[in-house]
Order: sequence, then C-alpha cells, then structure tokens
Amino acid sequence: GENVEQHPSTLSVQEGDSAVIKCTYSDSASNYFPWYKQELGKRPQLIIDIRSNVGEKKDQRIAVTLNKTAKHFSLHITETQPEDSAVYFCAASRGGSNDYKLSFGAGTTVTVRA
Amino acid sequence: GAGVSQSPSNKVTEKGKDVELRCDPISGHTALYWYRQSLGQGLEFLIYFQGNSAPDKSGLPSDRFSAERTGGSVSTLTIQRTQQEDSAVYLCASSLGTAQNYGYTFGSGTRLTVV
Repeated sequence: GENVEQHPSTLSVQEGDSAVIKCTYSDSASNYFPWYKQELGKRPQLIIDIRSNVGEKKDQRIAVTLNKTAKHFSLHITETQPEDSAVYFCAASRGGSNDYKLSFGAGTTVTVRA
Repeated sequence: GAGVSQSPSNKVTEKGKDVELRCDPISGHTALYWYRQSLGQGLEFLIYFQGNSAPDKSGLPSDRFSAERTGGSVSTLTIQRTQQEDSAVYLCASSLGTAQNYGYTFGSGTRLTVV
C-alpha cells in the first residue's frame, strides 16, 4: 500500500517567517495530495490540495508544490501568524478503484513564536 | 446534521472490557471512514464504508475490532477485550463521494483510554 513520510515532526518558527513541511510518497500511481490542519483539540480540516496534473497551487499565504518525478510534495506557509500553530498532515490518494482512501503522514507540529 | 458527530468524546475503560464508538455522518454522505490517531503517529486507516457495506476493512488491527453501518448513516466501531495499545483518538470522517473530488469531513473524535 501507499506509504507517506512527513518531515519534520516538529517545527518552530518566528512570527512572520516562513514554514515548509515536506512529504514523500511511495506509490507512483498516487495523483491527489491534500493537506489537513488540526488545531489543538479540534478536528482535522482540509486547507489545500493539489492534483498530479499541476506543479504548484497557492491560496493566500499557503502554497503546495509537487514533484512527481521525485515523488514528493511540500507545504509552504509564508508570513506565519500565531493562528498557524497546529498539527499539519499531508496525505496521498491514488485514483481508480482506490480513490476513496487517503494515506496520511505522521504529522508536523508547527509552533509560531510571537 | 451540520457536521460529523462522534460520541462519546472521551471514554476511559478498563483493560478487557468492550467499547462502542459511534459516528453520525453528515446527512447524504455515502462514504464513511474510521481512522485512528495514536500519540506521535499519523492518521491510521481502519475501515471504509460505502453505504452499508465495507469494501475495505484492511486497516482493522485485529479481530477484536469490528464496525458496522446501518441505514447508510450511523456507524459503530466496536473494540472487544480492549488492550492498552488500543488507547488513541478514533476519528470518523464522511464524504459525499470520492476523497479526491469531495475531501473528508472529520468528526471531533473519541479519545479512548484503556487503563
């Protein structure tokens, strides 16, 4: 099955600086890569996703990049703010008959220091 | 309902006892998933329902774990003879269709502690 590895496990950044989280996946058939944010005590929520037919996607201060050849994708948060402090999970999904299933990374705990 | 509801939110049980965790998905969501979140671990897939059937139960860790879904709505995850390693947050998610097209909506989870 799909194996998703996520780094780093923890990340501390100064407010206003950028944060980058990287994930690698094992299944070359994976074609959908969402990112979920889980604030303390709350449920994970989808914040951005990317499909294999594009290399980059942006939404305000967050962006995701995908390198299909290297089988890795990254989340970039610019101008970090205290409300960005959370656990971030990357995930991967393959299409076809397995398009229902998301395989998640272990998560990155991001702390934004004021 | 407005979101995915899970109950109880917290459960402390003694080792060896059985527990039932409930998930009430968003109305109309045909797909339902159970994941487990252990400390320091990612979200571990347990089982997927499409309607009342479970085409993928490959993530259930042992035969002590079972799940059912009735009426295409509420799902119950049952853990028999609980062990300490079962302690985790159990998350339920539902989706209108495929994960790729509709994404998951997660519930708030049930925190299970086996003592």
